[in-house]
Amino acid sequence: KQEVTQIPAALSVPEGENLVLNCSFTDSAIYNLQWFRQDPGKGLTSLLLIQSSQREQTSGRLNASLDKSSGRSTLYIAASQPGDSATYLCAVSQPRVIFGKGTRLHILP
Amino acid sequence: DTGVSQNPRHKITKRGQNVTFRCDPISEHNRLYWYRQTLGQGPEFLTYFQNEAQLEKSRLLSDRFSAERPKGSFSTLEIQRTEQGDSAMYLCASSQHPEKGANVLTFGAGSRLTVL
Repeated sequence: KQEVTQIPAALSVPEGENLVLNCSFTDSAIYNLQWFRQDPGKGLTSLLLIQSSQREQTSGRLNASLDKSSGRSTLYIAASQPGDSATYLCAVSQPRVIFGKGTRLHILP
Repeated sequence: DTGVSQNPRHKITKRGQNVTFRCDPISEHNRLYWYRQTLGQGPEFLTYFQNEAQLEKSRLLSDRFSAERPKGSFSTLEIQRTEQGDSAMYLCASSQHPEKGANVLTFGAGSRLTVL
């Protein structure tokens, strides 16, 4: 049974810092891994998708990496801004898509 | 196409009543997923469809829950005899078949259920 774990559960950092969010999964037989952002009371917005054959994807200040063999992914956010405050979720596709519980990120102005 | 649409956005009902949620996916997406999310938790998988076929159903989905996608387009999620524990956000997402593309999941805004 696939389990997805995200560490830390919550994180507060001053504006401008670079930060890393972690995601681990127990079954490496995945199609892809996706990172989402969720604002309070809202739906999920896709940030980055990494295919199982890829190692990383970049979009603006975001960089996601995937090490399928070790069951790990990281989301790197550069030069954090208050607008980055949200919950970040990772999900793996097998094809059912299983989510972690998320990391609640708060960027301090 | 304006994305994944879910209705109603918020439903308040009394315990024991039946409720139905509707999801209209992105038109070219043939996969449709239902999730349930409670406060502070990630989305929990409920079920998914490939066109009109329901391919997998979570054990979380009790006999009171049923989902359909009769023509392979929109889907409905019905909850019968609602209980207070059913209060949650019900999320719908759609994607292309993973073998045809990157299988990016696109979510709707969700339908929030409050059972009094």
